[in-house]
Amino acid sequence: AQTVTQSQPEMSVQEAETVTLSCTYDTSESDYYLFWYKQPPSRQMILVIRQEAYKQQNATENRFSVNFQKAAKSFSLKISDSQLGDAAMYFCAYRSFGGGADGLTFGKGTHLIIQP
Amino acid sequence: AAGVIQSPRHLIKEKRETATLKCYPIPRHDTVYWYQQGPGQDPQFLISFYEKMQSDKGSIPDRFSAQQFSDYHSELNMSSLELGDSALYFCASSGPGLAGVREQFFGPGTRLTVL
Repeated sequence: AQTVTQSQPEMSVQEAETVTLSCTYDTSESDYYLFWYKQPPSRQMILVIRQEAYKQQNATENRFSVNFQKAAKSFSLKISDSQLGDAAMYFCAYRSFGGGADGLTFGKGTHLIIQP
Repeated sequence: AAGVIQSPRHLIKEKRETATLKCYPIPRHDTVYWYQQGPGQDPQFLISFYEKMQSDKGSIPDRFSAQQFSDYHSELNMSSLELGDSALYFCASSGPGLAGVREQFFGPGTRLTVL
C-alpha cells in the first residue's frame, strides 16, 4: 500500500513571499501520478497541480510549481508571490498510473497561513 | 463549466438511522469516487465506480453501500449510523481526459451530522 507523508502540519509565510510545502511518499510502483489539492475554509477540494511520474520535467501552473525527485520519493510544492487567497489546507495525493478509477491516497495536510 | 453536484449539502440524523447521499458527476464523466473527511482529517477513499461497475474499494464500512446508476449518478447509502460517521462526504468524478490522467474533480461535499 502506498503512503503519503506531509511533515509540516502548519506553515506561515508573509504575503508576496515564497513558500515550499513538503511531501514524501512510499510506493513500490514505477509509474504513478502525484497531485496537490487545496482546501480553503469553504472545504471545497481544488486541484492545484499534478505530476506524472514518467515525466522528468517539473510541473508548473502559474505561481505554483513542484520539485519532483523520483529517486528520493519527494514531491514539494512551491508557491511564489503568496497571496491572501492562498491560505488553505494543502493536501498531497498519490494515485497509481493504471488505476484510472482508483481512489487517491492523501497526506495529512499542511495548513498554510498567509501573513498580510 | 458544470461541476459535480452533491445533495443534500447538509444532513442531520439520529444514531441508528439511515442516510442516502447523492452525487451527480460532471457531464460525460464515467467514474465516480466517494471520500469521507472527518474533522481535522485528510479525505479517506471509500469506493469508486467506473461505467456503473464497482472499480476500487477503500475503507468503506460494511454498513455503507453505494451504486452508480445508468445516468452515471451515484448514491451512497449509510445504515445504522454511528456518531463517528459524522463527517464531510465528498463525491468526485473523472472522465477520459488528456493523457489519460483522469483527474478527479470534487463536489462541494455533504456534511453529515449524527446526533
